[in-house]
Amino acid sequence: DAGVIQSPRHEVTEMGQEVTLRCKPISGHNSLFWYRQTMMRGLELLIYFNNNVPIDDSGMPEDRFSAKMPNASFSTLKIQPSEPRDSAVYFCASGQPEGETQYFGPGTRLLVL
Amino acid sequence: AQSVTQPDIHITVSEGASLELRCNYSYGATPYLFWYVQSPGQGLQLLLKYFSGDTLVQGIKGFEAEFKRSQSSFNLRKPSVHWSDAAEYFCAVGAGNNDMRFGAGTRLTVKP
Repeated sequence: DAGVIQSPRHEVTEMGQEVTLRCKPISGHNSLFWYRQTMMRGLELLIYFNNNVPIDDSGMPEDRFSAKMPNASFSTLKIQPSEPRDSAVYFCASGQPEGETQYFGPGTRLLVL
Repeated sequence: AQSVTQPDIHITVSEGASLELRCNYSYGATPYLFWYVQSPGQGLQLLLKYFSGDTLVQGIKGFEAEFKRSQSSFNLRKPSVHWSDAAEYFCAVGAGNNDMRFGAGTRLTVKP
């Protein structure tokens, strides 16, 4: 298996623009997680899905952030409009049905100017 | 609510020396415990995990961790560190409902 796939790996955009991050989980995993990592706040869980349904989005910072999982093999995290304080590395992770282990993608490094 | 504390922000060891990274957790029951490693510019890779059973857990890359219920600890150890072990290490605790909490991380530097 190729592991969790994220795209793009790097994104540079200007404040006010829409940003869409993409994630393909490991086949057979039914849980999907979006995290944000910054120096100041460390690794933060933004939202997670179980069987394509959002279960807990309490970590989503504000209405500018939204996440979708239209099917078991694809998820997006969208920021609209983006702000400089959104600059971070965004990780997607997926997990197996009965286990608790999460497998991480390589991350998307986002810079908002 | 569960929480994870990694008391050491940064540790430096000499290559070939032994290593112990500390992790303390707070949780009402026995949680699921994990150690992940993150190399620069990379995602997090699972080193090892503890769910139940033997409290000494073996992981990849020669790492092991010991669960000590009385001390609420899950320290990571390696008998002889290699230069390639330089990375950031994260301890995490899971509650069995996909609610995983990560520690702040410990950055390991390996001196030649």
